[in-house]
Amino acid sequence: EPEVTQTPSHQVTQMGQEVILRCVPISNHLYFYWYRQILGQKVEFLVSFYNNEISEKSEIFDDQFSVERPDGSNFTLKIRSTKLEDSAMYFCASSESGRPSYGYTFGSGTRLTVV
Amino acid sequence: GQNIDQPTEMTATEGAIVQINCTYQTSGFNGLFWYQQHAGEAPTFLSYNVLDGLEEKGRFSSFLSRSKGYSYLLLKELQMKDSASYLCAVHYSGGYQKVTFGTGTKLQVIP
Repeated sequence: EPEVTQTPSHQVTQMGQEVILRCVPISNHLYFYWYRQILGQKVEFLVSFYNNEISEKSEIFDDQFSVERPDGSNFTLKIRSTKLEDSAMYFCASSESGRPSYGYTFGSGTRLTVV
Repeated sequence: GQNIDQPTEMTATEGAIVQINCTYQTSGFNGLFWYQQHAGEAPTFLSYNVLDGLEEKGRFSSFLSRSKGYSYLLLKELQMKDSASYLCAVHYSGGYQKVTFGTGTKLQVIP
């Protein structure tokens, strides 16, 4: 079964450093998303991406965050200057269609720890 | 805000039936998802309800009442592997792809 692949599975970084989280969505999917989940809390929407541009973003997704699809397969989330409160599990997801009934396929996540 | 409420934890016995409830704010409602999330893993899609009524998918069924702002996930013939968190998530208008998740219900299945 097709998967969304995320790397690395764990990332530890010092406060103030830049991190790039990488995702390879399912190949025929057109819509891409980043969500995060702080330990013990709910899953939170960050951003959606379609046709090489951001289609929606949440209030969490401020100027410190950016997304990019640098080639035909990768989808990245960059945090420019990490803060302690950025520590969370970051999930990439993709969907074949923008229609919600299709659901999202989530990757297994990158656990980011900011120290 | 767009509050989504679910019980925090539930316990049920293997082989039994369990119902996990979810209430949400109805204003701007488009549809409701249920996801399953095992500890330390990604959420996996279970169902999406738009219309009132019950939709059955094998051992799992999901019910929606739009007027009451209420949904439930029904799990039948519980298995130990069903121990997981079950996330209710709502698609509101004004955000075509933005989905708001509840905090999830942690279900423990005991022998």
